[in-house]
Amino acid sequence: QSVLTQPPSVSGAPGQRVTISCTGSSSNIGAGYDVHWYQQLPGTAPKVLIYGNSNRPSGVPDRFSGSKSGTSASLAITGLQAEDEADYYCQSYDSSLSAWVFGGGTKLTVL
Amino acid sequence: QITLKESGPTLVKPTQTLTLTCTFSGFSLSTSGVGVGWIRQPPGKALEWLALIYWNDDKRYSPSLKSRLTITKDTSKNQVVLTMTNMDPVDTATYYCAHVGGGLFHYWGQGTLVTVSS
Repeated sequence: QSVLTQPPSVSGAPGQRVTISCTGSSSNIGAGYDVHWYQQLPGTAPKVLIYGNSNRPSGVPDRFSGSKSGTSASLAITGLQAEDEADYYCQSYDSSLSAWVFGGGTKLTVL
Repeated sequence: QITLKESGPTLVKPTQTLTLTCTFSGFSLSTSGVGVGWIRQPPGKALEWLALIYWNDDKRYSPSLKSRLTITKDTSKNQVVLTMTNMDPVDTATYYCAHVGGGLFHYWGQGTLVTVSS
């Protein structure tokens, strides 16, 4: 059971918009710790997609956006493309555990 | 350009100790604020943070694995070593090291698959 809860899977057709939620608690996201998002393509290491809740590293398309509110965060992907099919993980820090924590991951399928 | 690469055994027996080395380039672990962390991922499962060492030798461990983990650094060699004792088949996973800054695992190694089996 992950400290940060994500839906196991989401799907959408090419061109559509999908969102992935990341639900935490008052000891992590709700405590003000930043949320980061990683994309893991099949057979590869994770890479940073969104950092500091809503910032995109250079090279990440603006189709990807992040937001945070209260004890939750969300990743939105617009204009879905086949190449977006991957696993997505949120990550933050938990002060009760004194640990960096990841969500359980969400598998995105492009129909 | 920042790169990291994990190395170590691909197969260990139950109860043995695992030693993994992360060799990195493109940054210094003596720079204020910089850290190197270890994360693992069992086959088909989620990422799990294991340990992190900072430039000032501050060390942090996953509470659930703290008794089994030791992380050290050799700044002159640009290496970070993770040891995990009493390995069990459930520890079979791909182990990643990553450059850490501001709580973000910014740059990742390619990972190394460690299988625990007799």
